[in-house]
Order: sequence, then structure tokens, then C-alpha cells
Amino acid sequence: NAGVTQTPKFQVLKTGQSMTLQCAQDMNHNSMYWYRQDPGMGLRLIYYSASEGTTDKGEVPNGYNVSRLNKREFSLRLESAAPSQTSVYFCASSEGPGGNNIQYFGAGTRLSVL
Amino acid sequence: GQSLEQPSEVTAVEGAIVQINCTYQTSGFYGLSWYQQHDGGAPTFLSYNALDGLEETGRFSSFLSRSDSYGYLLLQELQMKDSASYFCATHGSARQLTFGSGTQLTVLP
Repeated sequence: NAGVTQTPKFQVLKTGQSMTLQCAQDMNHNSMYWYRQDPGMGLRLIYYSASEGTTDKGEVPNGYNVSRLNKREFSLRLESAAPSQTSVYFCASSEGPGGNNIQYFGAGTRLSVL
Repeated sequence: GQSLEQPSEVTAVEGAIVQINCTYQTSGFYGLSWYQQHDGGAPTFLSYNALDGLEETGRFSSFLSRSDSYGYLLLQELQMKDSASYFCATHGSARQLTFGSGTQLTVLP
């Protein structure tokens, strides 16, 4: 029962470098989400995909892009990393509208931008 | 936009009952959820309310009043393992979540 799998678990970048955070779910969920969590704070939504083929901006989309590659996979890309993007990134999935309202989270990617 | 308010910290002793309140302002309301997060871990789902009233799941209960834009999480028979952060979150139309800043619960022996 893998659930939601995120890679990598840890990453250190230099300012200006790019990288892609990977997320895959095996629960046949329609909706997927990317959040970031800064120390002592709640999670903030970056982007979400309500269904395969659609993506929408969340609360803090600037500096990020996403790709819903297929129903299972939803990636988050940082084109030019900045120190302000140092955070823990969580991917989540859910059945989506019409289903239950439970979001299942991956273990997170801890990103430091120097 | 959406905003949620919850206390930053709560402390209680083992075996006690604790209530964590949450007030919210939202432009479109599809429900209120509660998530638990242990240090260094991922959030895990506890409870969801779409309609007014109380939902009970074991030692945890959650209440919602849509007219007051208010909800709470009630934890009974506290155990040491309940020490964690608890987040309320409102749902958008695509069930995306807007989280509060979290309440750090410390359970003392």
C-alpha cells in the first residue's frame, strides 16, 4: 500500500538552479495537490489538478509550474530556485469532487535553497 | 480569499478532554476538515464536516456551525501519542484545502 510517493525526500539547491519534484499515487484518485509548509505554519496550496488534464493555481503559485503527466503523476517544477522557496513540499491526492473528502499526503520533500 | 483562525498552542494532561476551536472566513464553503501532523511527519486526516452538527470517530469528534463560521475538534481520553499539531482546513470547489496555522497540542503525563 504505497499511497502517495514523493521523490526526492531531501534536496539542496543553489539559487538559480532548477529541479522537479515528483509525485505519484496508486489509489486511482482524480485530484492531486501540491502544498508547501514553512516552519511553524500551516500548509499553503501551490497548484492543484482537479482531474487529469487540468491544473489550477492555488494560493502561492509564483515561481512554480506543474504538470499532470497522467492520472497517477503530478510533478512540481522550480525553474529558478530562490531562498524563499526553502520549505517542505507535500503532495496529496483525493477522490475529488463527488467522492469522499479525504486527502492523502506523501511524506514530503525537504528543500533547501542556498 | 479565505482565512482561518485557531489557537497556536494548547496543553492538557493525559486522560483529559481538550477542545480546539477554529473560525473561518471563506468565499465558497464546501466543508471543514481536521488534520493531525506529528513533528517531521505528513498530515493525516481526522474528520470532515459539511453540515452543521457533530461527527464522532472514536476518541475524536468534530463540530460545525455554518451560520457562525465556526468549528471545533474535541479530543477525549488524551494520550501521550496525541501530542501533535492539529490543523483545521476549509474545502474549495475542487476539494482543495486552505489550512489554518495549526494548534500545537502538548499532552503532559
